Amino acid sequence: DSGVTQTPKHLITATGQRVTLRCSPRSGDLSVYWYQQSLDQGLQFLIQYYNGEERAKGNILERFSAQQFPDLHSELNLSSLELGDSALYFCASSVEYRGGKLFFGSGTQLSVL
Amino acid sequence: ILNVEQSPQSLHVQEGDSTNFTCSFPSSNFYALHWYRWETAKSPEALFVMTLNGDEKKKGRISATLNTKEGYSYLYIKGSQPEDSATYLCASLNSGYSTLTFGKGTMLLVSP
Repeated sequence: DSGVTQTPKHLITATGQRVTLRCSPRSGDLSVYWYQQSLDQGLQFLIQYYNGEERAKGNILERFSAQQFPDLHSELNLSSLELGDSALYFCASSVEYRGGKLFFGSGTQLSVL
Repeated sequence: ILNVEQSPQSLHVQEGDSTNFTCSFPSSNFYALHWYRWETAKSPEALFVMTLNGDEKKKGRISATLNTKEGYSYLYIKGSQPEDSATYLCASLNSGYSTLTFGKGTMLLVSP
């Protein structure tokens, strides 16, 4: 058990809908990262928060947004969902601001039908 | 976009065989290299974080080396066991890039 909690584990929804993925980092970790894993792609970095502030942004679509709350949990919001958004979404946490070992949650498998 | 390449893409060995895979990354502005093991139906788990040229790390039967001047890292598994079956991911962090860039992984299958 990595200590990172992600919910829900599975999500099935329809095109055009909006969903929220939730992540609670390990106790003491200030950095939260979101990654997308889809078929034939490696782990694609979406966004990082550090202690409530957005620190780094990857190839995150404008339809996607995230935030980190004062208790350090984070949410990833995906809207106007398309079939191509179907993927495994991971949250990871780290104690460091940059470059630290990542501890991954169990992921949320999103299926857009 | 930082280019992190892993080879081979997949590997099938017999129990007891020793094996190794390669991770190639840009050597310029290198900061850190990570290795993760990702077992099916689980989440990636960190094996090593390496920062210095010539670094060697070991964890049981698994070891890794790092060459930052030429931009590669090797992961070795001695006497592979079926429980070593997993996808092994490497990720590089270079100055000028905000975060780790992952390779696509090497999928290892160890048959009994």
